[in-house]
Parts: sequence; structure tokens; C-alpha cells
Amino acid sequence: GAVVSQHPSWVICKSGTSVKIECRSLDFQATTMFWYRQFPKQSLMLMATSNEGSKATYEQGVEKDKFLINHASLTLSTLTVTSAHPEDSSFYICSARPQGLNSPLHFGNGTRLTVT
Amino acid sequence: DQQVKQNSPSLSVQEGRISILNCDYTNSMFDYFLWYKKYPAEGPTFLISISSIKDKNEDGRFTVFLNKSAKHLSLHIVPSQPGDSAVYFCAASGYNYGGSQGNLIFGKGTKLSVKP
Repeated sequence: GAVVSQHPSWVICKSGTSVKIECRSLDFQATTMFWYRQFPKQSLMLMATSNEGSKATYEQGVEKDKFLINHASLTLSTLTVTSAHPEDSSFYICSARPQGLNSPLHFGNGTRLTVT
Repeated sequence: DQQVKQNSPSLSVQEGRISILNCDYTNSMFDYFLWYKKYPAEGPTFLISISSIKDKNEDGRFTVFLNKSAKHLSLHIVPSQPGDSAVYFCAASGYNYGGSQGNLIFGKGTKLSVKP
């Protein structure tokens, strides 16, 4: 089945530094990938839609200058958390959908970010 | 306002019995519904889906029921097994909602515990 790989699975960084998270579709091409954030005991919240070859579409309230998204190829999207702060500590998950009517989204295993 | 609601944050069931997880939605534009299973520190895994043209979809021990008039769906797991213990997310999308890819709206999840 479709596999989405996310790296790293966890990262600890200091305040003010930037962190890059990679999301790869391993056995299918994804023109669109989605980035979610999950707070403890909360649902997955869509942050942005990553579009290959064009700008990402951000959800209301998500700072595009803070969460930089680059979808450089049909199998890779990256999320960079810039100038990280402790409140950015969270679980970040990417997803992608193989082509096909009503194909379900497949998720990466997520990245636990801790900003100290 | 939450468009997808899972009102039970947790559910405990004895092994071998039926688990019933409920989900309500408010947006009548949703036409595709999915259930995802999530273990701690992992990304969600697709479980089963249902299109709004159906009222039931079955896959092994998992059955999803959709009641469009009540805007309600449920996931039945029979028989429940200890390995089913996880957080279950209900999600909804519509091809006329959120763009052609139909990004998902998630509920907050229900934590299922199946006791041996």
C-alpha cells in the first residue's frame, strides 16, 4: 500500500533556531501534501496544503513566514519551523493522497518537536 | 465551531465484545467519511471509509454505518481485541469542500481500551 515517510520522528531544538521536517511519498507521486499539527488531546488541525511547484495554501491563523513549506518534487514536501519558540512544541504530521477517486489520505508517522 | 464531533473521549470494552465509536457532523457538504486509528507517537492509519451514497461499509471486523439524515456515523468493531486499543479519529471531506483534493476535517478522537 501507499507509504508516506516522515523524518525526523523527533527533534529537540533551542529557541530561535529553525527545524526542517521532511515528508516523502515512497511509492506514489503526490502533487499535493498536507501538513497537520496536533496538540495533546486535540484533533489533527490542518496547517497548510503543499502544492508541487507552487506556493502552499495556509489555513487561517497559520503564519506562513513561520512555517515555511517547500514542495520541490512530486515525492517530497518540507516544513521548516523558523525561529522556533517553546509554544511551537507539538506533534507535526504530513499526509498525501495517491491518485484515484476517493483514495484515502496516508499519513507519515509524525514528528515530535520540542523547543527548549 | 467543530464540524466533526466525537463526543466520547474514551471507551472501555471487554475483549470479544463489540466496540461502537460514534461521530457526528454538521456540514451537509461532506460526502466522504473516514476512520483512522492512531497509536501514541505515530501517525494515523487509515482504517475504513464510506461514501455518502452508501449507508454501510464492511471490512473484516470493522463496519462503518452512515445515517445522513441524522448526520451521524459509527464504527463497529466485532469482536474487539486488545490490539484494537488506540485512539480512533473520525474524519470528513467533500470534493466540493476544501478544494479538489478534499482536505479532511477531523474529530478530536476517541480513546478505545480493550481489556483482556
